[in-house]
Amino acid sequence: QKEVEQNSGPLSVPEGAIASLNCTYSDRVSQSFFWYRQYSGKSPELIMSIYSNGDKEDGRFTAQLNKASQYVSLLIRDSQPSDSATYLCAVNPNSGYALNFGKGTSLLVTP
Amino acid sequence: EAGVAQSPRYKIIEKRQSVAFWCNPISGHATLYWYQQILGQGPKLLIQFQNNGVVDDSQLPKDRFSAERLKGVDSTLKIQPAKLEDSAVYLCASTLGSGANVLTFGAGSRLTVL
Repeated sequence: QKEVEQNSGPLSVPEGAIASLNCTYSDRVSQSFFWYRQYSGKSPELIMSIYSNGDKEDGRFTAQLNKASQYVSLLIRDSQPSDSATYLCAVNPNSGYALNFGKGTSLLVTP
Repeated sequence: EAGVAQSPRYKIIEKRQSVAFWCNPISGHATLYWYQQILGQGPKLLIQFQNNGVVDDSQLPKDRFSAERLKGVDSTLKIQPAKLEDSAVYLCASTLGSGANVLTFGAGSRLTVL
């Protein structure tokens, strides 16, 4: 089983700050990378996908990918209490196969 | 469009009993996944179907778990007999194709084994 590693946290940031979430993966041939948000008692929902090295921005969210370092990150700018959730990193090991998920990082945004 | 439907939402059973979960994917979605999510962990793939064929069931504990997808639409996941460590949320997800680009999850079925 290919590994997707995340720090479980909790990561605590004050409201308005930047939250930085990190993920590493073991399968060098992985091509597609995703960030899912999961509120307590709810199912995961997709917030970002990234396929190429570099940054991808969507509103307050920026995903960063470095395939050489096998590293993907998610930045959340102007963090809000409503961003408090578990963030799951997911990696597609190969086209046609299912996503591998990390354990998730718990984020707490304090007012 | 309607989302991924799952039932039951909650189930409590005693160990060694059996349980079945049902999933109806988004209409037209050819690929269906069952994931197991134990508290505090990320989802772990149990089985992936493409239409009514199995793509990957390498992590399905086949001595006690079984799954089927009749006619390439609905799917059922069965556990028999259940163990304490099967307590988890069972998430069904679907995608239009096999590329797993955008997984849409159902609300999940929470199983407690006593």
